[in-house]
Amino acid sequence: DAGVIQSPRHEVTEMGQEVTLRCKPISGHNSLFWYRQTMMRGLELLIYFNNNVPIDDSGMPEDRFSAKMPNASFSTLKIQPSEPRDSAVYFCASSFSGHSGNTIYFGEGSWLTVV
Amino acid sequence: DQQVKQNSPSLSVQEGRISILNCDYTNSMFDYFLWYKKYPAEGPTFLISISSIKDKNEDGRFTVFLNKSAKHLSLHIVPSQPGDSAVYFCAASNDYKLSFGAGTTVTVRA
Repeated sequence: DAGVIQSPRHEVTEMGQEVTLRCKPISGHNSLFWYRQTMMRGLELLIYFNNNVPIDDSGMPEDRFSAKMPNASFSTLKIQPSEPRDSAVYFCASSFSGHSGNTIYFGEGSWLTVV
Repeated sequence: DQQVKQNSPSLSVQEGRISILNCDYTNSMFDYFLWYKKYPAEGPTFLISISSIKDKNEDGRFTVFLNKSAKHLSLHIVPSQPGDSAVYFCAASNDYKLSFGAGTTVTVRA
């Protein structure tokens, strides 16, 4: 079975440019998460969708960040305009349901560098 | 506000010996605890979990122990193998939200 699929794997962009990260969750999963990993803050939850609806976006850093989930098999995380401090690894993850005890499966990450 | 703490950033152990990774948490509302393993340039992969109503869960070479009164959990790997060299993240769950520790890098020496 295919796991969580993310693209691009690596992205280098100039400050001010728009960045779009994409995610395809595991088929049948109804919960989707976007996480960010940095040296300073470790792994932190940015946004959580359940049944394609954003439930918790309290972790989104600021208005430059937005996320959508138009259907059960696709989500995007957009940064506009990008800044050097956005450089991090962005992980998409999915699970069968959002409740505790349901294993969350991570994609391989999108490595973003903003110069 | 770090609710899950892994105070040892690294651990080196000889092949065949036991690896013990520790994790402390502050939020008594956490009801599931998980360990994830991460290789470089890959996403975290689920390793083992434990419900807050249990104190031990075992899966092959991996055992997780939970001490609720001390708000402490540990992961035992025995025997340690070279393929176990990775970063291990402790995570705690409250409903949908996973809070992660900073990770412990384990190096298994041949």
